Amino acid sequence: DIQMTQSPSPLSASVGDSVTITCQASQDISTYLNWYQQRPGRAPKVLINDASNLQSGVPSRFSGGGSGTDFTLTISSLQPEDIATYYCQQYDNLPYTFGQGTSLDIK
Amino acid sequence: QVQLQESGPGLVTPSQTLSLTCTISGGSISRSTHYWGWIRQHPGKGLEWIGYIYFSGNTYYNPSLKGRVTISVDTSRTQFSLKLTSVTAADTAVYYCATWTTLSSYFDNWGQGTLVTVSS
Repeated sequence: DIQMTQSPSPLSASVGDSVTITCQASQDISTYLNWYQQRPGRAPKVLINDASNLQSGVPSRFSGGGSGTDFTLTISSLQPEDIATYYCQQYDNLPYTFGQGTSLDIK
Repeated sequence: QVQLQESGPGLVTPSQTLSLTCTISGGSISRSTHYWGWIRQHPGKGLEWIGYIYFSGNTYYNPSLKGRVTISVDTSRTQFSLKLTSVTAADTAVYYCATWTTLSSYFDNWGQGTLVTVSS
């Protein structure tokens, strides 16, 4: 299985800050990577697919990048509604695997 | 827009079979646009893909579940189910049904999730 490792976790930042979450794959996955946001008590929601493709309706302050084994999710100006846990997920090979999650809260 | 809703017992006895159903609104398992599957989340932990089924009936499972899992489609094609045999406390989790879009390759529709506790 491909192992996905996220950092940091947890993460605390102030409103308006720029924050970056990293995700590292245990082998080359090209850009076969998705990012999800999970608010407390809710199901996950996709933010970005194919490493950098922002989903319709997702605020433009979210962006993704990377390829191969190293990926990033950046929130350019943190808002209170961004409090959530963020997961990366690879789809290069079955079984699909997720990172352990990055819990983000506001200072 | 497809909506999904999980249902089933919230408590299962160890060594028994966990059975859940996902009911589909606004669509059916009849086209090649999606795979229909299950993901679980252990309490306070991350996400684990369990498996999914295609409209053709082909199934794909996570090998970590060691042959204990079966996903099937109801004849109405508006429900699909999960069966997990020989459960232990390690199978206690929130279980989500979700669809994988073949067009864009991500989980695009999710149920609200249902907590299943394995305990005697």
